[in-house]
Amino acid sequence: GAGVSQTPSNKVTEKGKYVELRCDPISGHTALYWYRQSLGQGPEFLIYFQGTGAADDSGLPNDRFFAVRPEGSVSTLKIQRTERGDSAVYLCASSPVSGADTQYFGPGTRLTVL
Amino acid sequence: RKEVEQDPGPFNVPEGATVAFNCTYSNSASQSFFWYRQDCRKEPKLLMSVYSSGNEDGRFTAQLNRASQYISLLIRDSKLSDSATYLCVVSPRFAGGTSYGKLTFGQGTILTVHP
Repeated sequence: GAGVSQTPSNKVTEKGKYVELRCDPISGHTALYWYRQSLGQGPEFLIYFQGTGAADDSGLPNDRFFAVRPEGSVSTLKIQRTERGDSAVYLCASSPVSGADTQYFGPGTRLTVL
Repeated sequence: RKEVEQDPGPFNVPEGATVAFNCTYSNSASQSFFWYRQDCRKEPKLLMSVYSSGNEDGRFTAQLNRASQYISLLIRDSKLSDSATYLCVVSPRFAGGTSYGKLTFGQGTILTVHP
């Protein structure tokens, strides 16, 4: 079956611009997670959704980052006033039930801020 | 100090070798433990969960030492296809056993298996 999909696969933007990154979880998965992976590092947790609500947003680095999941399926990660330090691969994962151990990752969006 | 620490390597081993990776974690509330594998420019994929009693899956053996907050992964009879980055991952649990959901990753250990 279809896995987690993310669009775009690559995004190049200029410093100060606004970007949106989209995640389509596996159908029927109630939990959705966003992570960020910088070069040479492991993924770093950003935010976790259970249904439509953000159950834990403690990993969002500052108020330029925001994520939504209005219908409990697709999620959008929004970054305002991008900075060069935001350049990374943004990974989305989903799991079938709340807090399930097995998370299935999407291929990621590679964001480059010039 | 990072919450999950791994030796980044790289480890370069010949086919057929046995290689071991180690990982330590600092959060004593961590209750779920995993090894993920990540191929170059791909997403992480679950390799195996790590249980208190230790567990084996084919050529892969994982061990957990809660007292020392230490996790290991042993790969026997290495194959060329084992070349990847191996990520040590921990997660806390809510009381009652439901997983919290947030995964904390180590920086990964790079393994290259050569002919």
